[in-house]
Amino acid sequence: SAVISQKPSRDICQRGTSLTIQCQVDSQVTMMFWYRQQPGQSLTLIATANQGSEATYESGFVIDKFPISRPNLTFSTLTVSNMSPEDSSIYLCSALGGGDRNYGYTFGSGTRLTVV
Amino acid sequence: EDKVVQSPLSLVVHEGDTVTLNCSYEVTNFRSLLWYKQEKKAPTFLFMLTSSGIEKKSGRLSSILDKKELFSILNITATQTGDSAIYLCAVEAGSSSGTYKYIFGTGTRLKVLA
Repeated sequence: SAVISQKPSRDICQRGTSLTIQCQVDSQVTMMFWYRQQPGQSLTLIATANQGSEATYESGFVIDKFPISRPNLTFSTLTVSNMSPEDSSIYLCSALGGGDRNYGYTFGSGTRLTVV
Repeated sequence: EDKVVQSPLSLVVHEGDTVTLNCSYEVTNFRSLLWYKQEKKAPTFLFMLTSSGIEKKSGRLSSILDKKELFSILNITATQTGDSAIYLCAVEAGSSSGTYKYIFGTGTRLKVLA
């Protein structure tokens, strides 16, 4: 299965600033996914990042707040813009690597974001 | 609205106990159900289930899917402290746009005491 490198692993940011999270996959993947996991809760899909087209956002998430880039088949970034304390969460990227769905989707190591 | 519900939300057991974790779902265009273990930040894959009644096993862990009753269970026998984690159930479901995505349950937080 694919290996995903995600960074930063954690950050503490001031409210009103923005943070860009990067994910690098060791193989080409068609779709990458960005999730948020708020404290004590499960994973919520933010958007699907498609190479060569705009990301598809889930209900409750908008491009102005969470702009996503997908410049090629191995890389994606998620920016958390104009942050507030409510954005404090773990952010995870995910992808299906190698074309074998039987091993599920692989996740990056996660970014723990704290907004103060 | 698609949803995945896990129970119990949390569980505390002693080493050697057997636990059963539950996952029920209501989704359109079901494709598969997956179990993940989350110890720190990144969930790690355990099982993918697509067919009813076929048990999947990996060591002390096993899982089965019932597509008629729309649920799955994850069993862990002879639990060890290293099994302490959040166990996530995810259902891969199709959307109207023709793509598939995961819908995660709330997770079951398992703590195994020595």
